[in-house]
Order: sequence, then structure tokens, then C-alpha cells
Amino acid sequence: LAKTTQPISMDSYEGQEVNITCSHNNIATNDYITWYQQFPSQGPRFIIQGYKTKVTNEVASLFIPADRKSSTLSLPRVSLSDTAVYYCLVGDWGGGFKTIFGAGTRLFVKA
Amino acid sequence: GAVVSQHPSWVICKSGTSVKIECRSLDFQATTMFWYRQFPKQSLMLMATSNEGSKATYEQGVEKDKFLINHASLTLSTLTVTSAHPEDSSFYICSAPDPGLAGTYEQYFGPGTRLTVT
Repeated sequence: LAKTTQPISMDSYEGQEVNITCSHNNIATNDYITWYQQFPSQGPRFIIQGYKTKVTNEVASLFIPADRKSSTLSLPRVSLSDTAVYYCLVGDWGGGFKTIFGAGTRLFVKA
Repeated sequence: GAVVSQHPSWVICKSGTSVKIECRSLDFQATTMFWYRQFPKQSLMLMATSNEGSKATYEQGVEKDKFLINHASLTLSTLTVTSAHPEDSSFYICSAPDPGLAGTYEQYFGPGTRLTVT
């Protein structure tokens, strides 16, 4: 399982776009990149997943460069309720779904 | 999306007693489930992989005799903390992948169980 590195924390203001970058230099060919969000005293919640280029859903976008050694989660127009910890995970789950969490990024959105 | 539930959501027990935590996949079958532990302000730490019909696989440093895992059906895995001590107080979270979603590898997480050992 590839090791990931993210900023420990980030601050933002309501209405701003937030970009959180994750480094995964040892990503393997079959690995997918998945981002989860976790609020205090809750289980993580799936945000978005991608393999390459750009993926967008109703809550976020995921940008993955051609070399796939990093990825950027983009949250448009954050609100106070987006204050949470965001985890970037990399893995080939076709064979086992084992998931190892890194430290995550604590995002604090201010009014 | 798929739903994973946990019971209880919180539990307080006395030191030396055992506590059982249940993890259920509500609308899909899960041959594999995972158990995590999370201390305050820290990330999730994978404890073990629960396999339906076979023994669980424990991560290095996790005592299998202390954290008993049983995966007796395709929708239920249980974690029993035996002879609990205050240092076992933590937030326990389970997850299950849903291989039914073609092209995705999504893990569904339970809401967690807060264990406090007094």
C-alpha cells in the first residue's frame, strides 16, 4: 500500500475554494486514489475516487496529474460544515480492500 | 449508498470486564470487514481484517486474544474487547467494502462505537 503525505492542517474562510494536495510517490499501476471526510466521533465518509485525470461529483473534484504521484482534492465554496479531517488513501482494493489511513488534513473553515 | 451500522454507539464498562461491539452491513453482503481504533486527535489505526467463515487477520501489535473477532455471517462481524482496561478506551470503527459496485472500490464505514473503560 502506497504511503501518502498530506498537510497536517489548513484554514479557510466560508465561500472560498479549498485545495488539499496529497503526495503518493510510490503509487502502483493498479492503485486508485480515494478521499474520505471525517467529522468528530463519526466514521469516515466517502467523498470521491479517481484513477487519473479529473473526476467531479456533486461535492468535490479530484485532480490527478499524468504521473499520478500526487492528487488534489478541491472543495468549492466551503462552508462551516466542511470543517473536518480529510484523508487521502491509495490502494488496489481489487484483491483485499485493506485500507491504511495516513494522518489526514484537518480543515478548519472560519466565518 | 450502502449502509454499515454499529451497536452500541457508546458503552461504558468496568475494568476487567468484556465488551462486544457489533458491525452490520445493512443492505449488502460483506465477506470482509475491517476494524479500526481511533484515539482522540489521531488517525484511524487498522486493527484487523474480519473474514466471513474464517479466522480474522490481525495487524502487527494487536493482541488477537484480547480483541476477539467473529464474522459468523455475511452481514455481521463482532469485536469483543476482553478484560478491558482503561487504555482500551477508544473509538472503534468498522468498515466493509461493497464489491457489487463495478469500477469502484468504496469502503463503507460504520458510525463508530465509543468505549470508555472505568
